[in-house]
Amino acid sequence: SQQGEEDPQALSIQEGENATMNCSYKTSINNLQWYRQNSGRGLVHLILIRSNEREKHSGRLRVTLDTSKKSSSLLITASRAADTASYFCAPGGSEKLVFGKGTKLTVNP
Amino acid sequence: EAGVAQSPRYKIIEKRQSVAFWCNPISGHATLYWYQQILGQGPKLLIQFQNNGVVDDSQLPKDRFSAERLKGVDSTLKIQPAKLEDSAVYLCASRRLAGAGELFFGEGSRLTVL
Repeated sequence: SQQGEEDPQALSIQEGENATMNCSYKTSINNLQWYRQNSGRGLVHLILIRSNEREKHSGRLRVTLDTSKKSSSLLITASRAADTASYFCAPGGSEKLVFGKGTKLTVNP
Repeated sequence: EAGVAQSPRYKIIEKRQSVAFWCNPISGHATLYWYQQILGQGPKLLIQFQNNGVVDDSQLPKDRFSAERLKGVDSTLKIQPAKLEDSAVYLCASRRLAGAGELFFGEGSRLTVL
């Protein structure tokens, strides 16, 4: 297992704008997951992308994976105040998932 | 489907006291994890169970922390004696399959050590 590193650490945007956050990792993976954590709550799974996939969509979420660069990005389109949360990536496919410090997204109304 | 249940949600104790947290995973989920999340940081894995056996407890401070999973279902995490630096949210998560798929998290137990 390995820890992903999210970037930026914090991001502040206006409602309606798009938000992009990135995740880098060090060794090859089977898949990569993204999670969201609202303040005072547990983590919620958003999306899983497999190593043989380059892009995946789920509602307003778009995730890309570049295995050659060992990086992933999460794009949230037309952001809403309710998207305010911390976002974590978890590269892996192994038994345990290790989380980094996350990206703290603030969407201002 | 019921989610991962944790209790208590909040606990305040003084240093050197003991505390226990309880987790009931989603029915049928064989794998259970305890994470510690200090304010402003990401969750740190403390221990992983597969059914009622420990798979990984390399990051568990075993001099003060202990955990068990009875009959491969519920789990308890105990801290004795607590230190100031144990103030954190303790998150329980479960997974249907070992090594694959998403984790389902509970709402966490917030511990404050005074």
